[in-house]
Amino acid sequence: GENVEQHPSTLSVQEGDSAVIKCTYSDSASNYFPWYKQELGKGPQLIIDIRSNVGEKKDQRIAVTLNKTAKHFSLHITETQPEDSAVYFCAASDRAAGNKLTFGGGTRVLVKP
Amino acid sequence: DAGVIQSPRHEVTEMGQEVTLRCKPISGHNSLFWYRQTMMRGLELLIYFNNNVPIDDSGMPEDRFSAKMPNASFSTLKIQPSEPRDSAVYFCASRLRVAAQETQYFGPGTRLLVL
Repeated sequence: GENVEQHPSTLSVQEGDSAVIKCTYSDSASNYFPWYKQELGKGPQLIIDIRSNVGEKKDQRIAVTLNKTAKHFSLHITETQPEDSAVYFCAASDRAAGNKLTFGGGTRVLVKP
Repeated sequence: DAGVIQSPRHEVTEMGQEVTLRCKPISGHNSLFWYRQTMMRGLELLIYFNNNVPIDDSGMPEDRFSAKMPNASFSTLKIQPSEPRDSAVYFCASRLRVAAQETQYFGPGTRLLVL
């Protein structure tokens, strides 16, 4: 089955700086890669996703890149703000396996004002 | 839309008791997922349904856990008997299962504490 590794587990950045979270996956058949943000006491919320036919996607201050050959994908947050503080999860899914999501272990991001 | 609704939001029970968690998916969604989140194991998929039919329950930890989806708007996850190691946050998520629609929307979760 799919295995998703996520690094780092914690990330502290100064407000205004950039944050980068990296994930690797094991199943080359995976074709959908969402990123979720989880705030304290809440469920994960989708912030951006990318499909295997695209190398990069941007949405305002967040962007995701995908390297299918290396089986890497990354989340980039620019101009970080205190409200970006949360736990971020990457995930991968394989349509052939019923689109089950396999999640990374999460990254706790702290943006210091 | 109200989003995915879960109840109760918090549950404290004693070991050996039966626990029932409830989920109402987003209207029109036809796939439903149950996850468990712990510090040690992260987010784990327990079971998922397509069109009310269980498709994959390989993540259900043992026979003490069971899940049902009697109709498109309601699902339950039951633990009987409960044990302290079942303490976790349980999330329900739903998805509209059509071509190229893969986003899962999560509910707020049920925080379960088994004493």
